[in-house]
Amino acid sequence: GNSVTQMEGPVTLSEEAFLTINCTYTATGYPSLFWYVQYPGEGLQLLLKATKADDKGSNKGFEATYRKETTSFHLEKGSVQVSDSAVYFCALRDGGATNKLIFGTGTLLAVQP
Amino acid sequence: ETGVTQSPTHLIKTRGQQVTLRCSSQSGHNTVSWYQQALGQGPQFIFQYYREEENGRGNFPPRFSGLQFPNYSSELNVNALELDDSALYLCASSFPRDSGANVLTFGAGSRLTVL
Repeated sequence: GNSVTQMEGPVTLSEEAFLTINCTYTATGYPSLFWYVQYPGEGLQLLLKATKADDKGSNKGFEATYRKETTSFHLEKGSVQVSDSAVYFCALRDGGATNKLIFGTGTLLAVQP
Repeated sequence: ETGVTQSPTHLIKTRGQQVTLRCSSQSGHNTVSWYQQALGQGPQFIFQYYREEENGRGNFPPRFSGLQFPNYSSELNVNALELDDSALYLCASSFPRDSGANVLTFGAGSRLTVL
């Protein structure tokens, strides 16, 4: 079945450092891909998405490019802030009647001042 | 517009008990999905409701059941609670699958602890 694999955390960075969180997927066809963020004590918020190969999703300085050749959707940000500290989840939209999301296990990002 | 609201936010139960979690969907959304997020894991799909009927189900036993009401709100019921049911339960609402705007909006979740 379809699946998502994320790099394990925690990822600890200093403020203004460059961020990369790796995400690869296994799927039949070309599913839509998503990054969700979960701040402490909160639910999931959609960060960005891409619906087809070579699409680049971007939001709040984060971006990710849908790479079908490498089946990847890595999350990047050029300069992280303390407020970016959260858990980041990569997900794909599964096919079928529900269009359910399949999530990776999440990557904890801790940004230090 | 209001987002997705869930209640209660936290609750503690003992093994064998039953629990009901509630969800109000975002205005305009008529599809509700439930996910279970165990500690340190990504959310896992439990089931989805559309037009008051179960529209699809993940790998969860029948003691996990749900309802959707005419106003699109939903309940998740879990019978015969087990220790492994301890998790954050997330509700997400959306437009139907065939809508071009099918993006899930999540609530803050209900954290269930089973002792």
